[in-house]
Amino acid sequence: GAGVSQSPRYKVAKRGQDVALRCDPISGHVSLFWYQQALGQGPEFLTYFQNEAQLDKSGLPSDRFFAERPEGSVSTLKIQRTQQEDSAVYLCATTRGDLSSYNSPLHFGNGTRLTVT
Amino acid sequence: GIQVEQSPPDLILQEGANSTLRCNFSDSVNNLQWFHQNPWGQLINLFYIPSGTKQNGRLSATTVATERYSLLYISSSQTTDSGVYFCAVERYSSASKIIFGSGTRLSIRP
Repeated sequence: GAGVSQSPRYKVAKRGQDVALRCDPISGHVSLFWYQQALGQGPEFLTYFQNEAQLDKSGLPSDRFFAERPEGSVSTLKIQRTQQEDSAVYLCATTRGDLSSYNSPLHFGNGTRLTVT
Repeated sequence: GIQVEQSPPDLILQEGANSTLRCNFSDSVNNLQWFHQNPWGQLINLFYIPSGTKQNGRLSATTVATERYSLLYISSSQTTDSGVYFCAVERYSSASKIIFGSGTRLSIRP
């Protein structure tokens, strides 16, 4: 597609439920990032993939958060046993190159707004 | 880790005014980008500018890497410029993280 696509656009979950958020990157983009953006804050790094390899997951806030990109294209961010503090916008961003030869800008999806009640 | 500070946090201007937004960072960086987040939440890349000056229409940006800051200039502001402006930096030595500042919220009044 022409841009990064995220689904669903909105998700309401009851506390304790599991959720899965999807990111379809721009075709051919090597690098994929997940960010969490709380209301009124800047995006906070969660995890980074280079193709199918998850090279950095240091930003994941707890072991309830899990991300995968099994074929180096579509990525899924899964949150288990959701808590109210997980409520935020989850943003996916991709770039054409890998970070060692990083020379292309980040392209963001529209995000998934997660509300945990 | 590297710290990114943006100023001012909020800015309210009349249509037609000019503005300067600042981004300071605490350590040397390999890359710096400016983004605009519109009221619907979409983040749009404005500039990829690790150093030097770039211009795109009414917007321009300058990064002085040796002094660890970047400036975003908006001239002849329009209401569509409203939103939040973020700078984001990257250090190769810190692997894959691209770190965002907390943003400047710009409101342009007609």
